[in-house]
Amino acid sequence: DAKTTQPPSMDCAEGRAANLPCNHSTISGNEYVYWYRQIHSQGPQYIIHGLKNNETNEMASLIITEDRKSSTLILPHATLRDTAVYYCIVGSGGSNYKLTFGKGTLLTVNP
Amino acid sequence: GAVVSQHPSWVICKSGTSVKIECRSLDFQATTMFWYRQFPKQSLMLMATSNEGSKATYEQGVEKDKFLINHASLTLSTLTVTSAHPEDSSFYICSAIKQETQYFGPGTRLLVL
Repeated sequence: DAKTTQPPSMDCAEGRAANLPCNHSTISGNEYVYWYRQIHSQGPQYIIHGLKNNETNEMASLIITEDRKSSTLILPHATLRDTAVYYCIVGSGGSNYKLTFGKGTLLTVNP
Repeated sequence: GAVVSQHPSWVICKSGTSVKIECRSLDFQATTMFWYRQFPKQSLMLMATSNEGSKATYEQGVEKDKFLINHASLTLSTLTVTSAHPEDSSFYICSAIKQETQYFGPGTRLLVL
């Protein structure tokens, strides 16, 4: 699996947009970009994933650069409950793929 | 999304005893489930891939005789930590795949005294 690089920590004000970057310069053509988050002492929560196109769901938006070497997860209106470690992972998808977790980004949303 | 449950949510046991952790996919069938382990202040580490009806595949460095995995049905995988020792104390998390997306359980915290 391709490796990803994320900043170790970020801060965001409540109500503002949180933009979390991720570099994945060695991503292969058939690999997806997945985003998960882990709130303290809980299992990871799936957020969103994409291949080439930008994606949006009820939780977040995913912006993938045209060369697919980096992406940004956007939480449009961060709340205190969004404080968590956010993981950007690349993988080939399918029924047998494995997720390799890095250290992620600790996002702290401040009141 | 999809719902994956784990039982128990936490367990305390004496050294030398065995502990079984259950992972269930509640609203879908999963031929493949995964077991992860997470030590304090560290990231998740994949332990093994559990395949329904066949033997589990273990990651390098994970003792298959110590961490027994059984995936007897399409909705249930179990992880048994045999002869647990204090160094096995950790947060164990399972996941299952639905529509090519991996969904995680809430985790089981194991403390071995």
